[in-house]
Amino acid sequence: GAVVSQHPSWVICKSGTSVKIECRSLDFQATTMFWYRQFPKQSLMLMATSNEGSKATYEQGVEKDKFLINHASLTLSTLTVTSAHPEDSSFYICSAGTSDYNEQFFGPGTRLTVL
Amino acid sequence: GQNIDQPTEMTATEGAIVQINCTYQTSGFNGLFWYQQHAGEAPTFLSYNVLDGLEEKGRFSSFLSRSKGYSYLLLKELQMKDSASYLCAVSDSNYQLIWGAGTKLIIKP
Repeated sequence: GAVVSQHPSWVICKSGTSVKIECRSLDFQATTMFWYRQFPKQSLMLMATSNEGSKATYEQGVEKDKFLINHASLTLSTLTVTSAHPEDSSFYICSAGTSDYNEQFFGPGTRLTVL
Repeated sequence: GQNIDQPTEMTATEGAIVQINCTYQTSGFNGLFWYQQHAGEAPTFLSYNVLDGLEEKGRFSSFLSRSKGYSYLLLKELQMKDSASYLCAVSDSNYQLIWGAGTKLIIKP
């Protein structure tokens, strides 16, 4: 099946710093990538949808200036959490979709801890 | 609005059978997915239904009734490693996945 990687798998940072998370589709071209956040014991929450070469579409309540998404190529999307605060500590998961949209392939997730 | 309902938690015994139900109300329908998610890990794909009926894949089966807005995931011969959350998700008219809150399945010896 299709493989999606994320880097880093975990990160600890100080409050006020920025953190970049990379999501790569390794063996297919992902026309659409999705970024999710999941707090402990809660379901996935879609943050934004990005299509290659265009601006991301953010879900209601997600600050686009705080969570910067770049989808510069068909195999790479990045999420930058700017000026991170402890409440941003969460499990961030990306997924990638192919042109037929019938399935999303998930990356392994990135656990962010902001001190 | 769009809504996916599934039980919050279920408990079953090792070796037994369990059925996890999912009902949905969405704007359009382009298929229903079941994912398994172990604690601290990303979801992994289990099944996809777009037509009515039962799809069987080993110990896991998934059923869909589009007219009733209903699906279930059936797990047979339960093993301890099946303890996980099971997420139901529907692809709507824009091919966006609408997620249920997940069902935590606890397997007891």
